[in-house]
Order: sequence, then C-alpha cells, then structure tokens
Amino acid sequence: SQELEQSPQSLIVQEGKNLTINCTSSKTLYGLYWYKQKYGEGLIFLMMLQKGGEEKSHEKITAKLDEKKQQSSLHITASQPSHAGIYLCGADRNQGGKLIFGQGTELSVKP
Amino acid sequence: GAVVSQHPSRVICKSGTSVKIECRSLDFQATTMFWYRQFPKQSLMLMATSNEGSKATYEQGVEKDKFLINHASLTLSTLTVTSAHPEDSSFYICSAAPGGLSTDTQYFGPGTRLTVL
Repeated sequence: SQELEQSPQSLIVQEGKNLTINCTSSKTLYGLYWYKQKYGEGLIFLMMLQKGGEEKSHEKITAKLDEKKQQSSLHITASQPSHAGIYLCGADRNQGGKLIFGQGTELSVKP
Repeated sequence: GAVVSQHPSRVICKSGTSVKIECRSLDFQATTMFWYRQFPKQSLMLMATSNEGSKATYEQGVEKDKFLINHASLTLSTLTVTSAHPEDSSFYICSAAPGGLSTDTQYFGPGTRLTVL
C-alpha cells in the first residue's frame, strides 16, 4: 500500500477558483515537502514543513502540517493556468534524508 | 534556491549498452545525493543513496551491480546503468541537500529520460 496517500489524483478547476490537495500518512513524519512537476521535467521545490501545526505561504500557495505531523494540505487561492502541473508531496520518515513520495495530483486550470 | 544539474537530459541507447548519468550540485557541496526513478504516470521511487567517498546504499529490490553509483567529489555523483534493457527505460532524477540531511531542503535535478531500444 502507498505510504503517502494524495488526494485527489487529478483535479480540473476553472481559473480563479480555490483548490486543496491533501497528503496523508499513517506514520509520523519528520519533514513534509511539496514539489511541483511538469511531465518529463524535474521537481520544483515549493515548501517544506517540519513542525506540527506549521503553516507556510508563498504567493498564492499555502501549505499546512497537522499537529500530529501525519497530514498536510496544499491550498491554492485564485488558481491560474501557471499553477497547472503535478503536485507531489514527499516525506522524510526517519530523518535520514530519504524521501518517499505520494502518487501525485495532476492539476489542470481552465482559462 | 540551490541548483542541481543533470547530464544528459535525454539519452537513447541500444539494449546491452551502458549509460552514464551525471548529477552535479552547482552552488553547494553535497556529501549525500539521492537517485530516484520515475516511470510514466507514477511517482518517484528512491533507488539509492550516494555517499561521497564511500559506497552507495541501495534500496530493496535495486540491483547494485546494474546501477553503479560513484560519488567522487562533493559536487558530482554519477549513475551508470549497465547492460541496459528496455525495462530500464525511465526518468531518472537526483537530489541533494545543501545543509545536509533532513534539516534542509532537498533540491532536485531536471531529470534524465532514458530510452533503451
């Protein structure tokens, strides 16, 4: 079974709408990363969360990590076509630097 | 953010040949780098941890004799796919953390698409 579950797997939204992507683990995480990927390209770092209850924002993207450090959400406000891509959550389970990834959420934004 | 480069970005080779992929940290030193593989429409899977000056450690199910890793300097790790076969066709991505493991952001290279004919 997937250790990091992302939902939804795909998402189509109208430009200007808000959206949320979730990432859930059954185990406590020591670091939670959000990346964006366009198909066939590398990963663009968005944010890293380490503390329970932590919340970070960058431009129109906000990521939160719950108090138990088992669930994270990525929220995009007023989505734009430039937000389209695959969003991946990655987690460091044991402070060793090795990341496991969720299966990704493919976001399409309709103009 | 920190920059990680990979070379080549794409490579096509014949079955049975070997292919070398380079991963470089351009503006920082990395004692540890990671190699991931991504199949179409799937997520990234960690293959191995590359350690500068010592042997790489491989994840379960990854053949160390097939995927040779050399981390000869603090800015360069190489992955060599030996005797490549069509099932090795994939997207290979490396990552490195400027400040060390777990406490710092991991930055990823742009990836290398390998196609084995």
